[in-house]
Amino acid sequence: DTAVSQTPKYLVTQMGNDKSIKCEQNLGHDTMYWYKQDSKKFLKIMFSYNNKELIINETVPNRFSPKSPDKAHLNLHINSLELGDSAVYFCASSSGQFNQPQHFGDGTRLSIL
Amino acid sequence: AQSVTQPDIHITVSEGASLELRCNYSYGATPYLFWYVQSPGQGLQLLLKYFSGDTLVQGIKGFEAEFKRSQSSFNLRKPSVHWSDAAEYFCAVAKGKNFVFGPGTRLSVLP
Repeated sequence: DTAVSQTPKYLVTQMGNDKSIKCEQNLGHDTMYWYKQDSKKFLKIMFSYNNKELIINETVPNRFSPKSPDKAHLNLHINSLELGDSAVYFCASSSGQFNQPQHFGDGTRLSIL
Repeated sequence: AQSVTQPDIHITVSEGASLELRCNYSYGATPYLFWYVQSPGQGLQLLLKYFSGDTLVQGIKGFEAEFKRSQSSFNLRKPSVHWSDAAEYFCAVAKGKNFVFGPGTRLSVLP
């Protein structure tokens, strides 16, 4: 029944590895987002997709690549993980873009050893 | 540059006391305004939003917020805080393709 679900909830891995985080929403929304929340709780938008098309791509290293196979899914793949990638990553969705309320997943806590 | 500020990093109140969390923004025109709450280990949940019209908006969990154009503010209030309100609170602003969160205010509630 979860509206926005992310997997995994926790991800512990070593520097240099490649990992993916999956996100699915069952709200029928057409816009999805990825956010990064650092250790000081600061939230920064990374990407946004509307109807499977990339519409926001903030200044993010190109090691991060989003993929949206359909409107209900937005996955995040990260290559060559670095220590600074340790954070909580949140997926969100909304009906329409930016000026509509967003529904958030519970986050994926990524820890780089 | 467009920005959202929440002047208080951490606020502590006693249970039953009133609460006001401050939010200021710097945008050329009135943006869309939101307040979200994040409980520990959870994602963000929308408390309320302001798009236009009545400047006092009611939200969930007994929260309200008042938009003041002259002060570029959108402060969140609750008349009587409950222990379960302890969380991180984020103000957010949307204008065009920009969606920005404030840095957050951590609320602690004393029994």
